[in-house]
Amino acid sequence: LAKTTQPISMDSYEGQEVNITCSHNNIATNDYITWYQQFPSQGPRFIIQGYKTKVTNEVASLFIPADRKSSTLSLPRVSLSDTAVYYCLVGDIDFNKFYFGSGTKLNVKP
Amino acid sequence: DTAVSQTPKYLVTQMGNDKSIKCEQNLGHDTMYWYKQDSKKFLKIMFSYNNKELIINETVPNRFSPKSPDKAHLNLHINSLELGDSAVYFCASSQVFSSRTDTQYFGPGTRLTVL
Repeated sequence: LAKTTQPISMDSYEGQEVNITCSHNNIATNDYITWYQQFPSQGPRFIIQGYKTKVTNEVASLFIPADRKSSTLSLPRVSLSDTAVYYCLVGDIDFNKFYFGSGTKLNVKP
Repeated sequence: DTAVSQTPKYLVTQMGNDKSIKCEQNLGHDTMYWYKQDSKKFLKIMFSYNNKELIINETVPNRFSPKSPDKAHLNLHINSLELGDSAVYFCASSQVFSSRTDTQYFGPGTRLTVL
């Protein structure tokens, strides 16, 4: 099963680049990697998704090495409003068992 | 025009009671989900419902029963509530039934407290 492992928490300062890594050793060939962001008292919100190499959108970049056993979410120049929990999701062959992981709580300080 | 809405936002009840949480999506999606988020923020899927086909997570007690009157609604009914049921419950929807490529849209959550 494609379980994921992330750091429990990270601290950063405004203006810095933040990289959050997710391990998914048992990722299946057809699985995509998706990252979600969750603010307190809200539901998770989609950030970015990728299959291999690098994906970039207006809010983040996603780096996936060739073996796809990990992925790194990169947030450029974070602000206080980026303080949230970030979840890495990898699809499982058994669709009703996909894992969100434990999430990484990012705390951005002024 | 909220995409995925849930009611109620807060629910406080006594052990042994039966309660329901309602979810509606106006995105025209085919698939809806229920998730449970515990106090440690682990987000676990409970059910998937795709075009009236229910996919049950077998780790969920049968006191929990999802009901879908139509594609836009997926309600969660809980019988004989227990203290351990206290959590935040999220409804979500996606266009297709796949965790691999499709984005899920989440509701705001329902915080259930069982006393």
